[in-house]
Amino acid sequence: KNQVEQSPQSLIILEGKNCTLQCNYTVSPFSNLRWYKQDTGRGPVSLTIMTFSENTKSNGRYTATLDADTKQSSLHITASQLSDSASYICVVSARSRRGGGNKLTFGTGTQLKVEL
Amino acid sequence: DGGITQSPKYLFRKEGQNVTLSCEQNLNHDAMYWYRQDPGQGLRLIYYSQIVNDFQKGDIAEGYSVSREKKESFPLTVTSAQKNPTAFYLCASSMAANTEAFFGQGTRLTVV
Repeated sequence: KNQVEQSPQSLIILEGKNCTLQCNYTVSPFSNLRWYKQDTGRGPVSLTIMTFSENTKSNGRYTATLDADTKQSSLHITASQLSDSASYICVVSARSRRGGGNKLTFGTGTQLKVEL
Repeated sequence: DGGITQSPKYLFRKEGQNVTLSCEQNLNHDAMYWYRQDPGQGLRLIYYSQIVNDFQKGDIAEGYSVSREKKESFPLTVTSAQKNPTAFYLCASSMAANTEAFFGQGTRLTVV
């Protein structure tokens, strides 16, 4: 069964500090991995999308890594800001064997709170 | 202003009533999706459509129905057959099945 597990479930850090969120997956066959940021009561917004051949991808203060061999990904946030407080969701896409649309498997998210 | 729009933002429904959630996009995307989000769970796929006049059931389609008469629109009807409809509903669209998905702002449905 395709699964995506994220850790930690929640995290509190001080403004200006760095943090790293983890994502482990068992999705197969792998197509791509995405990180989304979701503010409370809003829709998720894409941060990065990584394919099998990509090890690292950055988007401003966000850097995602992917190890397709160990099926692990991380999202590193540098110099955190209060506005980084949100849920961060890891989403893994599996190629459809039947030629139809790829299937997305969502993690339950890491709830990050940045405090003064 | 391009994007994907869901309405209404909040919706209240009495038990036994059907209700329709709106999703419109002007991104010229072929694929559209409906997800349900519950506390402590990942998003779960209700229905998806890869092209006009065609749609497929997702993982939790029971008690829901959709239509895709226009490329821009993918309304979701929550029927009285859905036993636990209170949830946050998210609509998304993408250019194709394996490309980045853009999400709407969500509709929070509460059954009273």
